[in-house]
Amino acid sequence: EDQVTQSPEALRLQEGESSSLNCSYTVSGLRGLFWYRQDPGKGPEFLFTLYSAGEEKEKERLKATLTKKESFLHITAPKPEDSATYLCAVQTLNSGYSTLTFGKGTMLLVSP
Amino acid sequence: DSGVTQTPKHLITATGQRVTLRCSPRSGDLSVYWYQQSLDQGLQFLIQYYNGEERAKGNILERFSAQQFPDLHSELNLSSLELGDSALYFCASSAGQGGGEQFFGPGTRLTVL
Repeated sequence: EDQVTQSPEALRLQEGESSSLNCSYTVSGLRGLFWYRQDPGKGPEFLFTLYSAGEEKEKERLKATLTKKESFLHITAPKPEDSATYLCAVQTLNSGYSTLTFGKGTMLLVSP
Repeated sequence: DSGVTQTPKHLITATGQRVTLRCSPRSGDLSVYWYQQSLDQGLQFLIQYYNGEERAKGNILERFSAQQFPDLHSELNLSSLELGDSALYFCASSAGQGGGEQFFGPGTRLTVL
């Protein structure tokens, strides 16, 4: 069974304090790894897709990287508006169709 | 704004009842996905439709069913509701049927009393 584990469950940072979120996965055949941001009571918002080990994607203060077993979301000099839950998902085959399996997320709180 | 719309935003009902949640995908997207999100289980995939046809199925209960109509909007029907069905229900859409980059709606919060 495909498994996605995110750590830590929650992270509190001071504004400007850089850190990384981890997403480790156990899947039979990875087709892609996705990062989403979710604000309270809202739908997840797409951030990045990574397809192969060694790949990196950047957007503003966020950088996502991928290895064969895990992905990291690096947050550089975060601001309070970066506070959200960050979800990682793996795309795998489900009865012949590709679907996303999500981790439970890391809740990030950035204090001013 | 992702372009995916969901109605209603909130729904409060009693155990044993039946409800229908509605989703309109982004313009041009043919796939619709339904997810359930609860505090303990996280975001769980329920079912996918592509251009009116059922595709992938996840952990969807037999009391739940869905369909996608010719205009591509989709409905998720939940019946014989139980307290444990209280959750956020999200719809997502994508252009193809490959289950990749998905765009999520704002969700429907269901409360079963």
